[in-house]
Amino acid sequence: AQSVAQPEDQVNVAEGNPLTVKCTYSVSGNPYLFWYVQYPNRGLQFLLKYITGDNLVKGSYGFEAEFNKSQTSFHLKKPSALVSDSALYFCAVRDYGQNFVFGPGTRLSVLP
Amino acid sequence: NAGVTQTPKFQVLKTGQSMTLQCAQDMNHNSMYWYRQDPGMGLRLIYYSASEGTTDKGEVPNGYNVSRLNKREFSLRLESAAPSQTSVYFCASSETGGDYNEQFFGPGTRLTVL
Repeated sequence: AQSVAQPEDQVNVAEGNPLTVKCTYSVSGNPYLFWYVQYPNRGLQFLLKYITGDNLVKGSYGFEAEFNKSQTSFHLKKPSALVSDSALYFCAVRDYGQNFVFGPGTRLSVLP
Repeated sequence: NAGVTQTPKFQVLKTGQSMTLQCAQDMNHNSMYWYRQDPGMGLRLIYYSASEGTTDKGEVPNGYNVSRLNKREFSLRLESAAPSQTSVYFCASSETGGDYNEQFFGPGTRLTVL
């Protein structure tokens, strides 16, 4: 069965500094990986996905993610954090069917 | 283009009461989903519908029923609400086939069962 781990409940970073939100996964077969962001009292919004190809995936709002097959990781990154990036971030994996499995979420706080 | 809409936004029920959460999407997606979100647990799949006329159980289906009324609408029913069903409920939709497609989420329904 697929599973997703986000080892950090909370990540704090100063505005202007680079940020990383970590995700590791366990799947049987090829992984299809996603990052979503949730702002307070809102639904989740899609940021980016890895299906195949280049290990560095670029997404919305300047975010990117690096797929590492040997480490089974898909970490979310941004070169320069903004206060407005403060939100809850979810990593997810999709199986061959229609189901997504979500990680528990990481709360990112960007401090001014 | 409204995307995914959910009603109501908030609801308070007493134990044993019933209610239906409504969800509609205008993106012509085949697949629709119901999740619940609880603190520290991420999103857990309750039911999903891969296409009109089909529904399947997810990770936590007990105490819930669903209806895929047509391609646009997918409702979630609590027949006899329990305090353990206090949660935020999200509906989502996605396209099927081709590339692995992301989900689009509604704004959520915050349900409290007393």
